[in-house]
Amino acid sequence: GQQLNQSPQSMFIQEGEDVSMNCTSSSIFNTWLWYKQDPGEGPVLLIALYKAGELTSNGRLTAQFGITRKDSFLNISASIPSDVGIYFCAGARGGGTSYGKLTFGQGTILTVHP
Amino acid sequence: EAGVTQFPSHSVIEKGQTVTLRCDPISGHDNLYWYRRVMGKEIKFLLHFVKESKQDESGMPNNRFLAERTGGTYSTLKVQPAELEDSGVYFCASSQPLNPIEQYFGPGTRLTVT
Repeated sequence: GQQLNQSPQSMFIQEGEDVSMNCTSSSIFNTWLWYKQDPGEGPVLLIALYKAGELTSNGRLTAQFGITRKDSFLNISASIPSDVGIYFCAGARGGGTSYGKLTFGQGTILTVHP
Repeated sequence: EAGVTQFPSHSVIEKGQTVTLRCDPISGHDNLYWYRRVMGKEIKFLLHFVKESKQDESGMPNNRFLAERTGGTYSTLKVQPAELEDSGVYFCASSQPLNPIEQYFGPGTRLTVT
């Protein structure tokens, strides 16, 4: 089936550093999303991207939808301790009966040292 | 506005037993989804309801899994009989009628089959 390859698998950074993570696929996705999961909680939607080439910011978060529609990245600037968690990318192809199906990456575990 | 709720938060059952998970979506969200994350792998799609109808059940692993959404409100996911490989975290998500892609997740039910 379709797979999203998310990297890195884990990151250990100092507070204040910038973070970058990305997702790639061999297939085209028409929408890319980034989620964050805190321990014991469900994933929370951070950013949704709908157009190839789109660059969208949400506070200290910036995400881009790759021009080929096969990749996306997420940047976090000036990290703080509450950024700790698991970050997931997800793609949706849209159309057909599976228009609501999200395909997820394996997740990036982010640890921020104060 | 209340978020997506799931019950129970944890369930430990023996192989061969039956378990029923419940999801209450956000009020007004016609779209309801079930996903599963097994052993730290990626979150995988199981199925998608639009109101009470199954829009897409392509991710259901086998016929031991039965999902229902009578009346188009809450949904149940029954596993009968449970097997060891069914252990994992089961997430429910919901989305607005006209925006199926931006999905809001519940906290998940952690199922352990021993």
